[in-house]
Amino acid sequence: NAGVMQNPRHLVRRRGQEARLRCSPMKGHSHVYWYRQLPEEGLKFMVYLQKENIIDESGMPKERFSAEFPKEGPSILRIQQVVRGDSAAYFCASSPPNRGNTEAFFGQGTRLTVV
Amino acid sequence: AQSVTQLDSQVPVFEEAPVELRCNYSSSVSVYLFWYVQYPNQGLQLLLKYLSGSTLVESINGFEAEFNKSQTSFHLRKPSVHISDTAEYFCAVSSPRENTPLVFGKGTRLSVIA
Repeated sequence: NAGVMQNPRHLVRRRGQEARLRCSPMKGHSHVYWYRQLPEEGLKFMVYLQKENIIDESGMPKERFSAEFPKEGPSILRIQQVVRGDSAAYFCASSPPNRGNTEAFFGQGTRLTVV
Repeated sequence: AQSVTQLDSQVPVFEEAPVELRCNYSSSVSVYLFWYVQYPNQGLQLLLKYLSGSTLVESINGFEAEFNKSQTSFHLRKPSVHISDTAEYFCAVSSPRENTPLVFGKGTRLSVIA
């Protein structure tokens, strides 16, 4: 049973470009959480999704950021018109139905660098 | 709202010495508490968790943490550390309320010195 898979592991984008981060949850997991980790900071919650639904996006910036978790395929975190301040590590976690965050497994993260 | 405070950003300790990493939380509702470990350029791995029941919880690699409701603390301890324990440790809180995301502290970097 493969763990949570995130790709790419490293992503470099120029200012103004779009960044797409992918997360494939563990088999049988239908809940996905996205977190952002800035240097010297802990992880900050961004968004919580179930299949085809956004449950909680209270941590998402109002502009340029969006997330989806389609019926088929990975969850996508999309950042439009990236700026230097978007440089961070983005982590995805997944959990099985009805277990919420008590059994959240994290991927290895995508490290986004905006140049 | 919930929050977590990890007072020590860095903790150096000699190999085979004991260590305590401090974690205090704030919450107006009942809590779930977690410790995660992050090795360099890796994701987070769950070390141990408190959901209910016994206030002392243990991990398979010798760490333990005790939930203290009156002190609102969940400190992580190990009686004798190894070089391989060098990593970043994050304390996190959530609640039994469905769909509550994890709220993390800023982390404590444990450096074990030979």
